[in-house]
Amino acid sequence: DAGVIQSPRHEVTEMGQEVTLRCKPISGHDYLFWYRQTMMRGLELLIYFNNNVPIDDSGMPEDRFSAKMPNASFSTLKIQPSEPRDSAVYFCASSLTLTYEQYFGPGTRLTVT
Amino acid sequence: AQSVAQPEDQVNVAEGNPLTVKCTYSVSGNPYLFWYVQYPNRGLQFLLKYITGDNLVKGSYGFEAEFNKSQTSFHLKKPSALVSDSALYFCAVRDSNDYKLSFGAGTTVTVRA
Repeated sequence: DAGVIQSPRHEVTEMGQEVTLRCKPISGHDYLFWYRQTMMRGLELLIYFNNNVPIDDSGMPEDRFSAKMPNASFSTLKIQPSEPRDSAVYFCASSLTLTYEQYFGPGTRLTVT
Repeated sequence: AQSVAQPEDQVNVAEGNPLTVKCTYSVSGNPYLFWYVQYPNRGLQFLLKYITGDNLVKGSYGFEAEFNKSQTSFHLKKPSALVSDSALYFCAVRDSNDYKLSFGAGTTVTVRA
């Protein structure tokens, strides 16, 4: 398997613009997670899905953030409008079950100017 | 509530010497414990996990970790470190009563030749 795939790998945008990050989980994995990594806050869980259904989005910073999983092989994380404080590395991860380990994608480095 | 602590921001060792990265945790139920490694500009890679059973867990790249319930610790070890082991290491814990995986702040390991 190719592992978790994320695109784009790097995104530079101006404040106020819409940003869409994409993720393809490992085939057969029922759980998908979105994380944000910053120097100040470390790794933060934003939202997770089980069988394409959002289970807990309490980690989403504010209404500017939204995530969808229209099918088992694709998820998006959208920021609209983007702000400089959103600059971070965003990771997508998937796992077979909650007990099993999570497998992380390479991340998307977002820079908002 | 669950939490994990990595008391050392940095660990420096000479190649060929033993490597230890410390981790302590706090959970209300039974702990599920994980170690991940992150190389520069890469996603997190799973190294090993403890769910149940033998307290000594062996993982990828010659790493092992020992679960110590009385000390609530899960230290990562490698008998003989390599320069290529230089990376950022994360300990993570999940309470058996919860879904959320909590990560430590990370420990930067530098192995000098």
